[in-house]
Amino acid sequence: EADIYQTPRYLVIGTGKKITLECSQTMGHDKMYWYQQDPGMELHLIHYSYGVNSTEKGDLSSESTVSRIRTEHFPLTLESARPSHTSQYLCASTPRTDTDTQYFGPGTRLTVL
Amino acid sequence: QKEVEQDPGPLSVPEGAIVSLNCTYSNSAFQYFMWYRQYSRKGPELLMYTYSSGNKEDGRFTAQVDKSSKYISLFIRDSQPSDSATYLCAMSGPYGNNRLAFGKGNQVVVIP
Repeated sequence: EADIYQTPRYLVIGTGKKITLECSQTMGHDKMYWYQQDPGMELHLIHYSYGVNSTEKGDLSSESTVSRIRTEHFPLTLESARPSHTSQYLCASTPRTDTDTQYFGPGTRLTVL
Repeated sequence: QKEVEQDPGPLSVPEGAIVSLNCTYSNSAFQYFMWYRQYSRKGPELLMYTYSSGNKEDGRFTAQVDKSSKYISLFIRDSQPSDSATYLCAMSGPYGNNRLAFGKGNQVVVIP
């Protein structure tokens, strides 16, 4: 079982606030990912990283940014939250030697009022 | 056309029934096929992983891949109320770098 953690699990904030969603994994996985998930829709990749100091934008245009200063930590930041950012955010990771299986965290449910 | 099609319609079955789920895809370069299970308010967890065409069995779960038809299936035998969840198919290969394409997910409800 994968050990990947996300905090907070639930967050309700007002428009214009800056927020950071935390993601940590204790498995030493090189590759990490952030997805956005809305009900009845596919998971959309918004950011990914292949290792320390590596970050890339995914398929879904996002106003968020990420950083990867340590292997185990991959935070996602929204500088100015808007109601359109309301969604479920999922973090995932893959070991270097693995093929394509990804291990997911429990998710953060974000609501922007 | 989406790369991965999965009919998201909810599926209700009585306990003990066989659950049949499927996905179709358009990109013949996909090589790896996965099924994830996601309980309400949780992250997806990997259920089955297959590489080649054919069947793979794990307990009550069977994953089937037909690359010639670009069609994958998941069967759950002797379904239990604890199987009630959303099941997502995912696949990868053409992009490299472990990027996955997901279906929308199928919500399954097993009625006791």
